Amino acid sequence: GAVVSQHPSRVICKSGTSVKIECRSLDFQATTMFWYRQFPKQSLMLMATSNEGSKATYEQGVEKDKFLINHASLTLSTLTVTSAHPEDSSFYICSATRQEANYGYTFGSGTRLTVV
Amino acid sequence: DQQVKQNSPSLSVQEGRISILNCDYTNSMFDYFLWYKKYPAEGPTFLISISSIKDKNEDGRFTVFLNKSAKHLSLHIVPSQPGDSAVYFCAASADTGRRALTFGSGTRLQVQP
Repeated sequence: GAVVSQHPSRVICKSGTSVKIECRSLDFQATTMFWYRQFPKQSLMLMATSNEGSKATYEQGVEKDKFLINHASLTLSTLTVTSAHPEDSSFYICSATRQEANYGYTFGSGTRLTVV
Repeated sequence: DQQVKQNSPSLSVQEGRISILNCDYTNSMFDYFLWYKKYPAEGPTFLISISSIKDKNEDGRFTVFLNKSAKHLSLHIVPSQPGDSAVYFCAASADTGRRALTFGSGTRLQVQP
């Protein structure tokens, strides 16, 4: 089946630094990538949608200058958390799909970000 | 506002019995529904899906029922096994699955041996 590889699985960084999270679709070409965030004991909340070669569309309340998303190819999307602060500590998950009816969604394994 | 709701935060059942997890939605544009199983610090694992043109879909021990008029879906697990213990999320999408998923708040299922 379809696989999305997400790295790193866990990262600890200092306040004020930037962290990059990568998601790669290994066996299919992902035309669309979604980025979600999950705080403890809460649901997965959509942060942004990116289509290959286009600028990402951010959900209300998500700062586009803080969470930089790049989807330069059909197999790679990255999320960079810039100038991270402790309140950015969360679980970040990517999900890939193609623009075909009911194609389905393949999720990465997630990245636990802790900002100290 | 929550467009996908799972009103039961937790459910406990005995091994071998049926587990029924419920989900309600408010957005009439949703036409593709999915159930995921999730463990802490892991990505969701896909279980089963249903499109709005159907009212039932089965896959092994898992059956999803969709009642469009009530905007309600449910996941039945029969028979329940201890390995089914996890958090289950209901999710919905519009445009025949081309849009982002909207997730419910999850139901923690515990299957007692």
